[in-house]
Amino acid sequence: AQKVTQAQTEISVVEKEDVTLDCVYETRDTTYYLFWYKQPPSGELVFLIRRNSFDEQNEISGRYSWNFQKSTSSFNFTITASQVVDSAVYFCALSEAGTDKLIFGTGTRLQVFP
Amino acid sequence: NAGVTQTPKFQVLKTGQSMTLQCAQDMNHEYMSWYRQDPGMGLRLIHYSVGAGITDQGEVPNGYNVSRSTTEDFPLRLLSAAPSQTSVYFCASSSDRSNQPQHFGDGTRLSIL
Repeated sequence: AQKVTQAQTEISVVEKEDVTLDCVYETRDTTYYLFWYKQPPSGELVFLIRRNSFDEQNEISGRYSWNFQKSTSSFNFTITASQVVDSAVYFCALSEAGTDKLIFGTGTRLQVFP
Repeated sequence: NAGVTQTPKFQVLKTGQSMTLQCAQDMNHEYMSWYRQDPGMGLRLIHYSVGAGITDQGEVPNGYNVSRSTTEDFPLRLLSAAPSQTSVYFCASSSDRSNQPQHFGDGTRLSIL
């Protein structure tokens, strides 16, 4: 069965600190896709990244970076030099190839204080 | 482009009432789905559709019906609302079954009294 675990329920940091959000997944498939979404206080869901299971290369986009490790079934998200605008709930999600059904983790609420 | 549009944004119902949550997308996406978001539980898939005329159940389908008569619209029906259906509902769409990122609507906050 597929499962996504985000063990960190809530994280609080002070602005400019680096923060890593953990995501551990379970799947029997060899081909699958992993996603991160951001949900700011306004409530909408914003797509951040999509990664397939054959691409373990880490990705950096500005202050955001993602570390995908198949050996530990993890897809962690790091925000460097956090800002107040990063305050949001962040969801990790998994889908198997050929289906767009997303399995979400329970989310991590990040609060960045000035 | 409007993207994915959900109406209404807020709704309060009494137990036993019925209602339809509307979802429309203007991106000609084949795949559409409904999720509900509850505190501490993330988002869970209710129903989904891979194209007009085709629907299937997700993880938590009980108490909900869907239909897909057009590519653009994917309404979610609550036949007899129950307090357990108090939640935030999100509609999403994506271009096909190649696991492209899904576009989400802004959500409908539904309270059942």
